[in-house]
Amino acid sequence: DAGITQSPRHKVTETGTPVTLRCHQTENHRYMYWYRQDPGHGLRLIHYSYGVKDTDKGEVSDGYSVSRSKTEDFLLTLESATSSQTSVYFCAISEPPLMTGGSETQYFGPGTRLLVL
Amino acid sequence: AQSVTQPDIHITVSEGASLELRCNYSYGATPYLFWYVQSPGQGLQLLLKYFSGDTLVQGIKGFEAEFKRSQSSFNLRKPSVHWSDAAEYFCAVGLYNNNDMRFGAGTRLTVKP
Repeated sequence: DAGITQSPRHKVTETGTPVTLRCHQTENHRYMYWYRQDPGHGLRLIHYSYGVKDTDKGEVSDGYSVSRSKTEDFLLTLESATSSQTSVYFCAISEPPLMTGGSETQYFGPGTRLLVL
Repeated sequence: AQSVTQPDIHITVSEGASLELRCNYSYGATPYLFWYVQSPGQGLQLLLKYFSGDTLVQGIKGFEAEFKRSQSSFNLRKPSVHWSDAAEYFCAVGLYNNNDMRFGAGTRLTVKP
């Protein structure tokens, strides 16, 4: 298994509170991603990072922010949690594509189950 | 818009029977295709991938998949299913420069004894 840990693994919070999820990798991969998984939707990309301090939005970025101050850590923050953000959150890592326009395998962490009441 | 469709939400097969999980994609350029498996409460594990070359790719755990450009499909197969294969399976398309990856909604596999 790729060396990816996520913390916390489970969290229950209340609507309107801030929440930060952490992804930590020991593989020194340059790219990192945050996804959410919901029934009937598969996984959807929230934000991704292609290097320290370099991040960009994914498909479902509203209500989320990210930060990456070190290669190994990628933080996902819900500034003011809402019930619609109840989900399972996965972090993934990959190397950059070998060629322009290419794609590389993403490796996933174990997930964080978040419940917003 | 790019999309991935897994037509079957849930499939049940008997142990020892063959399996085929369907995946169709919509993407204008050359696709990078993946199959992942997720056991309950776990993260996603890569089964196999197609980037180029031979259109029949072999993966782990005895799985294989065939890329058919004319049908925009990347179906996953296994000749003889084991009870431990019960899980959820996701097909995914890797997009330009890894800036995004689109997943299908998943197919849940149940294996009957």
